[in-house]
Amino acid sequence: NAGVTQTPKFRILKIGQSMTLQCTQDMNHNYMYWYRQDPGMGLKLIYYSVGAGITDKGEVPNGYNVSRSTTEDFPLRLELAAPSQTSVYFCASSYADTEAFFGQGTRLTVV
Amino acid sequence: KNQVEQSPQSLIILEGKNCTLQCNYTVSPFSNLRWYKQDTGRGPVSLTIMTFSENTKSNGRYTATLDADTKQSSLHITASQLSDSASYICVVVSPTGANNLFFGTGTRLTVIP
Repeated sequence: NAGVTQTPKFRILKIGQSMTLQCTQDMNHNYMYWYRQDPGMGLKLIYYSVGAGITDKGEVPNGYNVSRSTTEDFPLRLELAAPSQTSVYFCASSYADTEAFFGQGTRLTVV
Repeated sequence: KNQVEQSPQSLIILEGKNCTLQCNYTVSPFSNLRWYKQDTGRGPVSLTIMTFSENTKSNGRYTATLDADTKQSSLHITASQLSDSASYICVVVSPTGANNLFFGTGTRLTVIP
């Protein structure tokens, strides 16, 4: 089991550019999440999904979009990057309310 | 408002010493409480999960306690090692759907030789 895999690990974007953060899990988990972690702050939920074809907004969804076409994949899309989106992004998955497994994170800088 | 507060924000201890990290929460309803360890540049990794009926749970040198009445939890680390240097995050889970994990800001522990 690879667990939760995120790509890329690091990325620098210019203001206004777009990108997709990839997340895939091989544990057949139905729940998947995207969080961002700003320095000195707790993780904040951006979007989550309780199964393929179902997504919902978390606490801080503005500026992001997601899709869940398969159980394994949950990509996060940034359409018009802004400096406020500079952060570390974590994807996680779980089987319902059980333990969540996190990816290694993507460090994004918007300049 | 559902909140999770951790103390101290940061802690420096000598290798071999013990330490205790605190977590207070106001999350309701309550399903379980989790302690995660996050190494620098890595994702959080689960240490323990405690349900309402559990008062103490150990995982090697880590021992978590939970007082559901006072809504407090602690994580005690015994005989610290350099590899314990990390952030420790308290997460309280509410049984109200997938948008139900409430994260503390973490305690940054540094173990020095």
